[in-house]
Amino acid sequence: GDSVTQMEGPVTLSEEAFLTINCTYTATGYPSLFWYVQYPGEGLQLLLKATKADDKGSNKGFEATYRKETTSFHLEKGSVQVSDSAVYFCALTSNSGGSNYKLTFGKGTLLTVNP
Amino acid sequence: NAGVMQNPRHLVRRRGQEARLRCSPMKGHSHVYWYRQLPEEGLKFMVYLQKENIIDESGMPKERFSAEFPKEGPSILRIQQVVRGDSAAYFCASSRGLAGDGETQYFGPGTRLLVL
Repeated sequence: GDSVTQMEGPVTLSEEAFLTINCTYTATGYPSLFWYVQYPGEGLQLLLKATKADDKGSNKGFEATYRKETTSFHLEKGSVQVSDSAVYFCALTSNSGGSNYKLTFGKGTLLTVNP
Repeated sequence: NAGVMQNPRHLVRRRGQEARLRCSPMKGHSHVYWYRQLPEEGLKFMVYLQKENIIDESGMPKERFSAEFPKEGPSILRIQQVVRGDSAAYFCASSRGLAGDGETQYFGPGTRLLVL
């Protein structure tokens, strides 16, 4: 079945540091890939997405590139801020089987950014 | 522009009791999805509902769990005779159209269920 493996946390960085959170996936067909972010006490919010190979999703300074050859969708940001402290989830939907509404999530990575 | 609302945010039940989790989708959204996050696990799909219809319940445990989305009112996830293994965070999401057709799923803050 479909699965997502993402970097174990927690990750602790200083403000303005470079961020990478690794994400790899296993899926049938041609999945769409997502990063969701959950700020303390809130629901998950879509951060960015990519729907086909070599697409780059970007938002709020974050970006991730859909790499089919390595089945990866790593999240990066050049300079993190304290306000980026949150839990980040990598996820996919698979377009095989007619149930492309089902999100399959990784376990989440807690990021803490210190001033 | 209220987002997806879930209540209660925290729920404590003793083994054998019933748990009712409520989800009010965003205004104008008629598609609701429930996910469960067990400790140390990612969110896992449970069920997809449209108004008055269960579309896909392939992720629901076969016993004790049920879900509904009536014509009026919130979607309800009901767990009968709870056991300790039901302790988890339950997230609801909604979308205007069918997610997967370019529609984004918007998530609520979740309900944390603790079974003593």
